Amino acid sequence: GQNIDQPTEMTATEGAIVQINCTYQTSGFNGLFWYQQHAGEAPTFLSYNVLDGLEEKGRFSSFLSRSKGYSYLLLKELQMKDSASYLCAVRVKTGANNLFFGTGTRLTVIP
Amino acid sequence: DAGVTQSPTHLIKTRGQQVTLRCSPKSGHDTVSWYQQALGQGPQFIFQYYEEEERQRGNFPDRFSGHQFPNYSSELNVNALLLGDSALYLCASSLRSDYGYTFGSGTRLTVV
Repeated sequence: GQNIDQPTEMTATEGAIVQINCTYQTSGFNGLFWYQQHAGEAPTFLSYNVLDGLEEKGRFSSFLSRSKGYSYLLLKELQMKDSASYLCAVRVKTGANNLFFGTGTRLTVIP
Repeated sequence: DAGVTQSPTHLIKTRGQQVTLRCSPKSGHDTVSWYQQALGQGPQFIFQYYEEEERQRGNFPDRFSGHQFPNYSSELNVNALLLGDSALYLCASSLRSDYGYTFGSGTRLTVV
């Protein structure tokens, strides 16, 4: 089976930096995705890691350690519009190569 | 370039009824996956369709069935609706199962 854990809720201040952690236990790991989802909207792609290390894309960075089953999403220079749920998803090497999601971390950015 | 389109956006059904949800994938995509997202939870994989066949299925009962058409669009059918089927149903499309899933905005199903 697949097990993906991330904190349920986090609060951070506008302009600050926040790190959202994700730990996973899966068989057939084939990549890790981070998605942002505003309430009532579709998840939107933020980042993808398949090899160990840091991927940086503007204010967002994502890190992966396959040996530790660990990833984090780093958000810098937080803006009010960053208040959303952040979903960690692992792609599993099966016939369908489908995604398994964590429960999501609801981030609230306060002034 | 149109993204993934789902219809309807909202739906209210009575327990025991049947429902059909529809999804048009992003242009150029040929694979459609369906997810159920309960309130406050992450999306749960229902099944994936490729070349008009169900490629893989998650841990959902046979009341959940689907179909993919030659134009790659897809339907999700749920029979004998239960109150617990109330959720946001998301469709995601991709080119085969490559990196690059695009999600639709979902259909909010409420069973009363």
